[in-house]
Amino acid sequence: GAVVSQHPSRVICKSGTSVKIECRSLDFQATTMFWYRQFPKQSLMLMATSNEGSKATYEQGVEKDKFLINHASLTLSTLTVTSAHPEDSSFYICSARDSGSGGREEQYFGPGTRLTVT
Amino acid sequence: DQQVKQNSPSLSVQEGRISILNCDYTNSMFDYFLWYKKYPAEGPTFLISISSIKDKNEDGRFTVFLNKSAKHLSLHIVPSQPGDSAVYFCAATARNFGNEKLTFGTGTRLTIIP
Repeated sequence: GAVVSQHPSRVICKSGTSVKIECRSLDFQATTMFWYRQFPKQSLMLMATSNEGSKATYEQGVEKDKFLINHASLTLSTLTVTSAHPEDSSFYICSARDSGSGGREEQYFGPGTRLTVT
Repeated sequence: DQQVKQNSPSLSVQEGRISILNCDYTNSMFDYFLWYKKYPAEGPTFLISISSIKDKNEDGRFTVFLNKSAKHLSLHIVPSQPGDSAVYFCAATARNFGNEKLTFGTGTRLTIIP
């Protein structure tokens, strides 16, 4: 099946700094990628939809100036958490839609990035 | 507003028996449903899906049933194996309405007892 990678897998940063997380589709092109956040023992909450070559669409309640999304190519989307605070500590997961098929899987998920802000 | 709900946060099943995980939804526009398995600190892994034009889809040990009138779907795993222990999420989307977003349920932690 299609593979989506994320880097880094885990990151610890100090409060006030910014962190960039990369999401790559390794063997397919993705015009659309999604960013989710999961708090412990909770569901995956969609943060934003990332569209190649255009601005991301953010879900209600997600600060677009804090969570910067860039989808510069058909295989790469990045999420930058700016001026991170401890409450931003979470598990961030990206997913990608294969532009070339209407497959049954709908979206392929990355392995996630554990962000800890101290 | 939780549009997709999994009312059982946890479920324990004896190895070899059937595991039944349930999911309810409220949005009538949802027309495609998926089940994912997830381990801690990993991304979800796709298991099986079903379109709203069907009421059953089977893939090996996994079967998903859809009851549109009740807005209810269930995942059956038989026979259950220790490796099935994980958190299971159902998800829904409105494909025919051009909606690419997935709405996830709250998850059910399945534990298979050897």
